[in-house]
Amino acid sequence: GESVGLHLPTLSVQEGDNSIINCAYSNSASDYFIWYKQESGKGPQFIIDIRSNMDKRQGQRVTVLLNKTVKHLSLQIAATQPGDSAVYFCAENIFLGGGFKTIFGAGTRLFVKA
Amino acid sequence: KAGVTQTPRYLIKTRGQQVTLSCSPISGHRSVSWYQQTPGQGLQFLFEYFSETQRNKGNFPGRFSGRQFSNSRSEMNVSTLELGDSALYLCASSLASGFYNEQFFGPGTRLTVL
Repeated sequence: GESVGLHLPTLSVQEGDNSIINCAYSNSASDYFIWYKQESGKGPQFIIDIRSNMDKRQGQRVTVLLNKTVKHLSLQIAATQPGDSAVYFCAENIFLGGGFKTIFGAGTRLFVKA
Repeated sequence: KAGVTQTPRYLIKTRGQQVTLSCSPISGHRSVSWYQQTPGQGLQFLFEYFSETQRNKGNFPGRFSGRQFSNSRSEMNVSTLELGDSALYLCASSLASGFYNEQFFGPGTRLTVL
């Protein structure tokens, strides 16, 4: 069935270190993946996306890696800052019925220690 | 440009009542999706609307319904509320058909059912 899951529910890193958040997905036909950041009291915020025809995409301090062979997605945050503390979700858009639906992973809470 | 707005932000209802939540997308956005977020189930897709048409629906009972108006504003309704309906309800909008487009989330409506 369709599912997007995360390996770790929490991740604690030291300020300045790099963070890696992992995600597994089960739908091999998925074409579009997104990482969201959700801070307390707010809705999810788009961080970066990647299409299935790519292996890697870089943004500002963030990189998403996609391994279609093992259906694995990761988000790398360089030089993690206290403001990066939040819950991170991977998500997958499934094209369906002329529209789409977004399947979210369980989320990983990132704690950044000063 | 104003972001996605949701009203009300907080709501307390009792079992058996019905509730209507409202979402105003970003100006020009025609796709609106609704999600339910709970600690136990995470973020789950409810439905997606585009140009007043519901294109997709998640695995929720018929008590959950929605609609979209010609100005792209959307409402969702939950009838015969149950305790398990307590959740954060999030609305997201995107510019066009939405599949490859970034979704912008509102802050959510926190519904508590007593």
